[in-house]
Amino acid sequence: GAGVSQSPSNKVTEKGKDVELRCDPISGHTALYWYRQSLGQGLEFLIYFQGNSAPDKSGLPSDRFSAERTGGSVSTLTIQRTQQEDSAVYLCASSLGPRFGRIANEQYFGPGTRLTVT
Amino acid sequence: GIQVEQSPPDLILQEGANSTLRCNFSDSVNNLQWFHQNPWGQLINLFYIPSGTKQNGRLSATTVATERYSLLYISSSQTTDSGVYFCAVVNTDKLIFGTGTRLQVFP
Repeated sequence: GAGVSQSPSNKVTEKGKDVELRCDPISGHTALYWYRQSLGQGLEFLIYFQGNSAPDKSGLPSDRFSAERTGGSVSTLTIQRTQQEDSAVYLCASSLGPRFGRIANEQYFGPGTRLTVT
Repeated sequence: GIQVEQSPPDLILQEGANSTLRCNFSDSVNNLQWFHQNPWGQLINLFYIPSGTKQNGRLSATTVATERYSLLYISSSQTTDSGVYFCAVVNTDKLIFGTGTRLQVFP
């Protein structure tokens, strides 16, 4: 079946511009996560959506970062006024969700969006 | 917060060799996953293993939750096994990643 998809695969933007990154989770998965991978910080959690609950935003590095999930499916991560330190690979993951039991928490990752801020 | 440490940081093998990668974590966790990040950056699920032992072909993994560590075994390594191997533990639903083990397998 189809896995997690992300778009665009690559994005180059100028410092100060806004960018939007998109994630389509696996069909039927209620939980959606955003992570980023950068040279200096490794793989780090950004935000987590579970069903209709309020998202866990505890990993967002600044108020320039925001995310939404429409209709319990597709998610968009928005970075406003991009800075060079935002350059990283942004990864999206999804899982069935905790209501299906512990095994359902296995997370599956998309191919990522490589963001370069010049 | 929970700390996840992986060792060794780098590993160079000749094709056919066996290896053991280790993941230590600092607190009780609900779940643990092992991933292989291929040269194109894709994270590939290897094991979902909160406890016990699992095997999948040439790979196997063991997690001893009471002692807070997990091991990934790679037998008869192949060049396609090259890449970075990550261990990640689940803490309140989100994954906390280790820094990875970079494996290079030469023919």
